[in-house]
Amino acid sequence: EAGVAQSPRYKIIEKRQSVAFWCNPISGHATLYWYQQILGQGPKLLIQFQNNGVVDDSQLPKDRFSAERLKGVDSTLKIQPAKLEDSAVYLCATRGTGAYEQYFGPGTRLTVT
Amino acid sequence: TQLLEQSPQFLSIQEGENLTVYCNSSSVFSSLQWYRQEPGEGPVLLVTVVTGGEVKKLKRLTFQFGDARKDSSLHITAAQPGDTGLYLCAVRPYGGSQGNLIFGKGTKLSVKP
Repeated sequence: EAGVAQSPRYKIIEKRQSVAFWCNPISGHATLYWYQQILGQGPKLLIQFQNNGVVDDSQLPKDRFSAERLKGVDSTLKIQPAKLEDSAVYLCATRGTGAYEQYFGPGTRLTVT
Repeated sequence: TQLLEQSPQFLSIQEGENLTVYCNSSSVFSSLQWYRQEPGEGPVLLVTVVTGGEVKKLKRLTFQFGDARKDSSLHITAAQPGDTGLYLCAVRPYGGSQGNLIFGKGTKLSVKP
């Protein structure tokens, strides 16, 4: 079974630029999460999708961050415009229906200069 | 205020030593998970504990959930260099969105050969 795929793996941008991350979940997993992991911290949930609907986006900075999951499969997370404090690893995770376990992708390491 | 306090923050030991890391909170949880994250990768689930006082063993790793379901420990016997990584605990609080997890900051373990 293929795991969660993310791209790109690394991205360096200047502040005020835009960036987008992509996630392809495990086949059949209806629930998808985006986390932000700042160096030295644990992952922090940004947004949760159930199929193509948003379940929880209470911690998403909506003035600059947006996410979508068209057709309930792949998802993209966008930052526009980026700030220095957005430098972090952005992790995508998915979960099967009725399961506890979340499966994480390798993450995208974003550096904002 | 951090919901989960993990200690120690850093731990560097020699191969063959035993160690224990802790995850503590003042809140009660319905379940608690331990993850290991290696550099450049996403977290990987090690175990889920759901019953107060529960002890689970995974080869050289022993996990315990506190009787009051507020804390947990992870004990590693005869640590090996392959155990190196960031150990994260995560909880699904009562009343939280289904499947959502809150992570601690983690314990960064280094096992030297």
